[in-house]
Amino acid sequence: DVKVTQSSRYLVKRTGEKVFLECVQDMDHENMFWYRQDPGLGLRLIYFSYDVKMKEKGDIPEGYSVSREKKERFSLILESASTNQTSMYLCATISSPGELFFGEGSRLTVL
Amino acid sequence: SQQGEEDPQALSIQEGENATMNCSYKTSINNLQWYRQNSGRGLVHLILIRSNEREKHSGRLRVTLDTSKKSSSLLITASRAADTASYFCATAFNYGQNFVFGPGTRLSVLP
Repeated sequence: DVKVTQSSRYLVKRTGEKVFLECVQDMDHENMFWYRQDPGLGLRLIYFSYDVKMKEKGDIPEGYSVSREKKERFSLILESASTNQTSMYLCATISSPGELFFGEGSRLTVL
Repeated sequence: SQQGEEDPQALSIQEGENATMNCSYKTSINNLQWYRQNSGRGLVHLILIRSNEREKHSGRLRVTLDTSKKSSSLLITASRAADTASYFCATAFNYGQNFVFGPGTRLSVLP
């Protein structure tokens, strides 16, 4: 089974702090995604990556950056956290048939 | 917006009844997928239906796709309390590499 592991399930940070959300997958998949989930809005794509050191902006990249130094690891970075970035963050990878596999999510609260 | 829409937003039924959720979308798609999310957890893939397919079954799940109406439905038969979750449709485009999620349907199955 594909396993997508997000390093932190719950985080509480203060406004202005730098936040790192880590995601690791164990199936050698090329593509990885970071989504944000808010009530009533569904999932919105922040960034995705097709390969190592490659990244593409999604629908809502402002205030975020990403890093993919190794194929299995895709990190989401909030350079200076703000209260409107309080949300559930979901990492995903995609299989050959086109199915997304998600991690358990990281719920971030910014005070 | 390309966002899909699920209908209804919330659904409450008794155990043993069937649950039907609908999804509408706006653009041409490669495939349409349904996902399930238990409270506070990541999304789990349920079923994928390609744009040239009209109906697909998986266990107690039945999915239909009408590309002329840009709509899909998910039927869960003989529901169980364990089916209580949020259900999301996701439309895939750009060779199945990009996805748009709807806001989801919250299903409550009462014992």
